[in-house]
Amino acid sequence: AQSVTQPDIHITVSEGASLELRCNYSYGATPYLFWYVQSPGQGLQLLLKYFSGDTLVQGIKGFEAEFKRSQSSFNLRKPSVHWSDAAEYFCAVGAGKGFQKLVFGTGTRLLVSP
Amino acid sequence: DTGVSQNPRHKITKRGQNVTFRCDPISEHNRLYWYRQTLGQGPEFLTYFQNEAQLEKSRLLSDRFSAERPKGSFSTLEIQRTEQGDSAMYLCASSSTGTKNSYEQYFGPGTRLTVT
Repeated sequence: AQSVTQPDIHITVSEGASLELRCNYSYGATPYLFWYVQSPGQGLQLLLKYFSGDTLVQGIKGFEAEFKRSQSSFNLRKPSVHWSDAAEYFCAVGAGKGFQKLVFGTGTRLLVSP
Repeated sequence: DTGVSQNPRHKITKRGQNVTFRCDPISEHNRLYWYRQTLGQGPEFLTYFQNEAQLEKSRLLSDRFSAERPKGSFSTLEIQRTEQGDSAMYLCASSSTGTKNSYEQYFGPGTRLTVT
């Protein structure tokens, strides 16, 4: 069965520094991969997705992610973090019939220090 | 585009009571999903509909849980005889088939259930 691992529960980054959040997936074929962000009191917002093609995908808010099949990874990056990026970040993989069921990781909480 | 809406946003109930939540998807979306999220965890899939048809249900969805989408628009999730373990955030999402973005799920703000 498909699964997602986010090894970092918390990460603290200084404002203006670069960010990388790790995500490893388990799936035999080409996965459908997503990154979502959840701010307190807000719903999940889709940052970006990967289905096929170019392995470096661009998303909203200046985020990008790179699909690496050899490492079963889909890490999220941002070159310069802003205080408003502090939130919980979830990686997910599409599963089940037609990949309609999203299987989420446990999330990484990003703290941004001044 | 008004987004996915969920009502109520918060519900406190006593153990053993029944509760019902409502989700209104984005208007042109024909797929609707329910997830449950407990503290410190990622959302867990419960079920999804395409139009009125319930196409997949998780084993998490015990017989105390029932979801409906009678006219292919809004959906309700009912929990009967609530237990303290049902306390969670219940999230609804929607998506549209037939577009290049058909695998993108858009989430509502959630309904936080507290069972006392």
